[in-house]
Amino acid sequence: NAGVTQTPKFRILKIGQSMTLQCAQDMNHNYMYWYRQDPGMGLKLIYYSVGAGITDKGEVPNGYNVSRSTTEDFPLRLELAAPSQTSVYFCASSLTSGSPAESTDTQYFGPGTRLTVL
Amino acid sequence: GENVEQHPSTLSVQEGDSAVIKCTYSDSASNYFPWYKQELGKRPQLIIDIRSNVGEKKDQRIAVTLNKTAKHFSLHITETQPEDSAVYFCAARAWRFGNEKLTFGTGTRLTIIP
Repeated sequence: NAGVTQTPKFRILKIGQSMTLQCAQDMNHNYMYWYRQDPGMGLKLIYYSVGAGITDKGEVPNGYNVSRSTTEDFPLRLELAAPSQTSVYFCASSLTSGSPAESTDTQYFGPGTRLTVL
Repeated sequence: GENVEQHPSTLSVQEGDSAVIKCTYSDSASNYFPWYKQELGKRPQLIIDIRSNVGEKKDQRIAVTLNKTAKHFSLHITETQPEDSAVYFCAARAWRFGNEKLTFGTGTRLTIIP
């Protein structure tokens, strides 16, 4: 298994440009997440999905959009990039069941995308 | 919502000594507490986790303790080694079906001094 993969690894955008960060997992996990990590800081949740067709906002959703048309893929869209969106973006996935006693909960992270907006 | 506070933000320990990192959480419904290790330039990786029905869990040199009454949990690393140098994040999750997401602490940068 490749686990969680992300593309691209690095990207430089100009202010106002748009792009899509790709994320895929081959572990048949139902939950997927997008985080951003600013330099020297912790992880902030942008959006998450509990299954195909279902997404919800996290802590810092402004300026981003997501979709989840398949179990495997969870792309993150940046519209009108701003310098404040300069960050490392991590995608993660987990297998979470309807029972807290059965759920494994472990989140597996992708390698990250380092985005710079100039 | 859940709020997780983590202390200290930086910690330097002599090789071979022990390191302790502490976290507090606010939501009494939280029932799952993982710890992640992030080496420089790498992705976070789970090193140990604990559920609310357990007070302590150990895995070789790493242990986690949980005090539900006080709403705090701690990571203990014994016999520290240079490869333990990294940033460590605690997290907490309150179980509400359809709303299972982790809230992370702000991280502790652990440096092991040879």
